[in-house]
Amino acid sequence: KQEVTQIPAALSVPEGENLVLNCSFTDSAIYNLQWFRQDPGKGLTSLLLIQSSQREQTSGRLNASLDKSSGRSTLYIAASQPGDSATYLCAVGGNTPLVFGKGTRLSVIA
Amino acid sequence: NAGVTQTPKFRVLKTGQSMTLLCAQDMNHEYMYWYRQDPGMGLRLIHYSVGEGTTAKGEVPDGYNVSRLKKQNFLLGLESAAPSQTSVYFCASITGSVVNTGELFFGEGSRLTVL
Repeated sequence: KQEVTQIPAALSVPEGENLVLNCSFTDSAIYNLQWFRQDPGKGLTSLLLIQSSQREQTSGRLNASLDKSSGRSTLYIAASQPGDSATYLCAVGGNTPLVFGKGTRLSVIA
Repeated sequence: NAGVTQTPKFRVLKTGQSMTLLCAQDMNHEYMYWYRQDPGMGLRLIHYSVGEGTTAKGEVPDGYNVSRLKKQNFLLGLESAAPSQTSVYFCASITGSVVNTGELFFGEGSRLTVL
């Protein structure tokens, strides 16, 4: 059974800092990995989708990497801003529907 | 383009009452999912559908039923609500022609409280 872990559960950084969020999964036989953002009381918004054949994806200040063999993905946020404060979740897709991590709650302090 | 729309957004029920949550998507997606999100538990899959007329059980299906009579709609029903079903429910649909390979789009959620 696929298990997805995100560490740390919460992170607080000063504005302008570059940061990395981690996601690990137990079964490397995945089709893709997706990173989401969730604001309080809202739904999930897709940030980046990495197919299993890809190593990374970039969108603006966000860069996500995927290392299937080690079962890890990282989400890099450059020059963090208070507006980046949210919970970030990763999810992996394989032979079963997407399995989610519990998320990292990010606070960017002005 | 509305994307994924859930109704209602809020509902309070008494134990034993029944209700239906409606999810509608206008993106012509084949695959649709119902998740529940609880503090400390993350997102857990209740039921999903791989196409019109199909449904399948997810991780936590007990106490719920679903139907996919039309491709654009996925209904989640609670026949006899219990306090343990107090949660935020999310519907999602996915792009792509092969299951689990596309991008997942979520609705805004439906907050259900069972007293």
